Amino acid sequence: GNSVTQMEGPVTLSEEAFLTINCTYTATGYPSLFWYVQYPGEGLQLLLKATKADDKGSNKGFEATYRKETTSFHLEKGSVQVSDSAVYFCALSDRAGYSTLTFGKGTMLLVSP
Amino acid sequence: DTEVTQTPKHLVMGMTNKKSLKCEQHMGHRAMYWYKQKAKKPPELMFVYSYEKLSINESVPSRFSPECPNSSLLNLHLHALQPEDSALYLCASSQDGASGGGNTQYFGPGTRLTVL
Repeated sequence: GNSVTQMEGPVTLSEEAFLTINCTYTATGYPSLFWYVQYPGEGLQLLLKATKADDKGSNKGFEATYRKETTSFHLEKGSVQVSDSAVYFCALSDRAGYSTLTFGKGTMLLVSP
Repeated sequence: DTEVTQTPKHLVMGMTNKKSLKCEQHMGHRAMYWYKQKAKKPPELMFVYSYEKLSINESVPSRFSPECPNSSLLNLHLHALQPEDSALYLCASSQDGASGGGNTQYFGPGTRLTVL
């Protein structure tokens, strides 16, 4: 079956530090890959996505590249802000059926001034 | 516009109450989803509706009863819930068609449910 593994948190950084959150996946076929962000007390917001190998998704300074050879979709940002503090979920959607999502466990990011 | 709305934002109910959660989207999406999310966990899929028909039920207890009155609306009827059902309930939608999935799901802000 499908699965997503992402690094355990919390990740604690100072403002303007470089961020990497690792995500690897197992899937049959060629899934679409997503990063969602959840701020405290809110729902999930789509942060970025990639639908095929070597695609790079980007949004709000965040980037992730779909690496089929390493089955990875690591999230990066060059300079984090306090407002980036949230929980980040890596997820995949198998094209074979409905767009049901398989989520990683989530990584909490805490950015201090 | 990629907005999914949910009402109410917060709900407190007793174990003998009957209540409903409402979800609405106007993006023309034909697939809609209910998820349950416990603290510090990822969302867990409960139900999937496709073209207003229930397509997936992830073995959810019958005290949760979904309904899709039309392509824009999704309800979740609650009856005789247990305290362990307290959670954030999220609705989502995606532009799925007969060609399959892999599409983006857009989530609403959720309803925070507390069962006393």
